[in-house]
Amino acid sequence: DIVMTQTPLSSPVTLGQPASISCRSSQSLVHSDGNTYLSWLQQRPGQPPRLLIYQISNRFSGVPDRFSGSGAGTDFTLKISRVEAEDVGVYYCMQATQFPYTFGQGTKLEIK
Amino acid sequence: EVQLVESGGGLVQPGRSLRLSCAASGFTFSSYWMHWVRQAPGKGLVWVSRINSDESSTTYADSVKGRFTISRDNAKNTLYLQMNSLRAEDTAVYYCARGGSQIQLGYWGQGTLVTVSS
Repeated sequence: DIVMTQTPLSSPVTLGQPASISCRSSQSLVHSDGNTYLSWLQQRPGQPPRLLIYQISNRFSGVPDRFSGSGAGTDFTLKISRVEAEDVGVYYCMQATQFPYTFGQGTKLEIK
Repeated sequence: EVQLVESGGGLVQPGRSLRLSCAASGFTFSSYWMHWVRQAPGKGLVWVSRINSDESSTTYADSVKGRFTISRDNAKNTLYLQMNSLRAEDTAVYYCARGGSQIQLGYWGQGTLVTVSS
C-alpha cells in the first residue's frame, strides 16, 4: 500500500496569515495514464469530508481560490493564502493512483 | 444538486451482520463508480471499497475482504455495503462517496455510524 505522510500534524495559524501543509507519498503517484491522482480534502468539525483539490492542483467546484495545491511525484503541498475562521478543521491528502486509496494522517488547522 | 444519503447504521453485536445503504440523487448514478470510506471515532479516513458503474468490478481493503460486500442497484440509484462477521474494530462512521475517472471522491454523504459492541 502507498503510505501518505503529512506534516505538520497540527498547525496553529493567525487569521489572515498563510498556511501550508505538506504530504509525501511512499512511491510515485504518477498513474500509467500520465495523471497524478493526489487530492486534498477538508473536514470541518462534525462534518463529512469535502474535496478541495484534485489531481495535485485543480480546485473542486465551489472551492475558494485562496486554496491552492502544488507538487509532483511524491511531494505535494496545500497552501491557504489567507486563513479564515471557516478554514478550521482537519485536512487530509489522499492518493487515488493505486488501490487501496490511502489517506494521510490528517493535519489539524487551528486559529491562534 | 448531488446528494448522497446513507442509512442502516446502528449498534450490532460482534459477529453479526449489517447492511448499509446510500441513496443517490442529482446525477446519473449508473455512470459513476461509488466508494465506501470509514472513520473510526476520533481517527482518520480509511478507504473501504469501490464498485464500478455496472457492478462488474469491485475492490476491497484487506481489512474487510471476505467479510464485506459492496453492491449497487442502478435502477434504484442505491449503493449498498453488506457487512458480515463484524468486529469491534469495524466501529466507525461509514461514508459513501462518488467516484469518477478524473475526480475521485468528489461528493460525500453525511455518514452513518456503525457501533460493534456486546
